[in-house]
Amino acid sequence: NAGVTQTPKFQVLKTGQSMTLQCAQDMNHEYMSWYRQDPGMGLRLIHYSVGAGITDQGEVPNGYNVSRSTTEDFPLRLLSAAPSQTSVYFCASSNFGNTEAFFGQGTRLTVV
Amino acid sequence: LAKTTQPISMDSYEGQEVNITCSHNNIATNDYITWYQQFPSQGPRFIIQGYKTKVTNEVASLFIPADRKSSTLSLPRVSLSDTAVYYCLVGAQGGKLIFGQGTELSVKP
Repeated sequence: NAGVTQTPKFQVLKTGQSMTLQCAQDMNHEYMSWYRQDPGMGLRLIHYSVGAGITDQGEVPNGYNVSRSTTEDFPLRLLSAAPSQTSVYFCASSNFGNTEAFFGQGTRLTVV
Repeated sequence: LAKTTQPISMDSYEGQEVNITCSHNNIATNDYITWYQQFPSQGPRFIIQGYKTKVTNEVASLFIPADRKSSTLSLPRVSLSDTAVYYCLVGAQGGKLIFGQGTELSVKP
């Protein structure tokens, strides 16, 4: 039981490039979500999903796309990377009716 | 989702009890109060959750007064390894967690 797995752990992108951050969970959780954390700040919600095929925007969705084709996976796509998207990205999952969320180890993204 | 207010930082010494208070004046009737802990370079970790009065687990206690407009996380006999950022969340639901800035706790020897 690996919990929530994020890949890659580190990534450097050039401005304008696109990429996908991967998130997978093996706990059969209905809810999954993506957050970004800038230095010295709390986490901010990007997108979330309450089940396969259902996604919604969070606090800071611009520049990011998500899809949820399976219960296990919730990839985050950066369409055209910008330096303002330099951050640490965390993925989380939780069960229906339970606010205890489990977080991945994070992806540290730098856009130059 | 209710907005929360916490102290930005707190200092303590090993062996002391630490109480971190969170204000959430516009908490809704159905909202639970949840606390997370985050170490540097790691994702947040669930500590405790409550609705009213007192909840205790092996890590911490959570005190919630009758009006539920605030809550206090109590960490007994802290050690250096309790140095972390602590977040108070209210009304977290459906995977939609809204974090504030949190309280940075520094435990000194």
